[in-house]
Amino acid sequence: QQPVQSPQAVILREGEDAVINCSSSKALYSVHWYRQKHGEAPIFLMILLKGGEQKGHDKISASFNEKKQQSSLYLTASQLSYSGTYFCGTPNANAGGTSYGKLTFGQGTILTVHP
Amino acid sequence: DAGVIQSPRHEVTEMGQEVTLRCKPISGHNSLFWYRQTMMRGLELLIYFNNNVPIDDSGMPEDRFSAKMPNASFSTLKIQPSEPRDSAVYFCASSGGPLGNTIYFGEGSWLTVV
Repeated sequence: QQPVQSPQAVILREGEDAVINCSSSKALYSVHWYRQKHGEAPIFLMILLKGGEQKGHDKISASFNEKKQQSSLYLTASQLSYSGTYFCGTPNANAGGTSYGKLTFGQGTILTVHP
Repeated sequence: DAGVIQSPRHEVTEMGQEVTLRCKPISGHNSLFWYRQTMMRGLELLIYFNNNVPIDDSGMPEDRFSAKMPNASFSTLKIQPSEPRDSAVYFCASSGGPLGNTIYFGEGSWLTVV
């Protein structure tokens, strides 16, 4: 079942912050975040494997609330290069925190950063 | 290291023709995925191989679609006969190795069926 992302689209000015949410109706074992620029392939950002785990890279971070079956991606002090479509992906219900299984992606959140 | 390599990058074909898309996964990866992306349906998983064996093909839309992975370094996705509604970007992706959970996408094959 496809995870649900919100909002569908975000428009920001450089320097502003944004939060993208990903929620699932089934138990989550891990959450993967990807960014795709127009005409390009999705690029891996980060994976969260444990409930409560938080990760960050530069000014992009994410949290994973296993109990609430949701994850959030935080973009701080956005840059023009952050523009793109952000996808969360969740694996099949599978035992354990790691899975080589397939990912089902949300519908995507379009982020546009203006100067 | 080379990433996932797909060919062709772009293809325009007439309805009814056979289309074959090719993929070379990252060396050492043991899982390979074919995804299709459209505006209407987003990123959909078509089929998933693990160690060259098809594990889940529930996303393959119709019998017109078939996929093979004859060895660990090559996979094909075939559409025969093609229809205009097959127009989409087809991504091949692979995972495995030290970062087993990370899926790496190829650049995609842009298919237009007229």
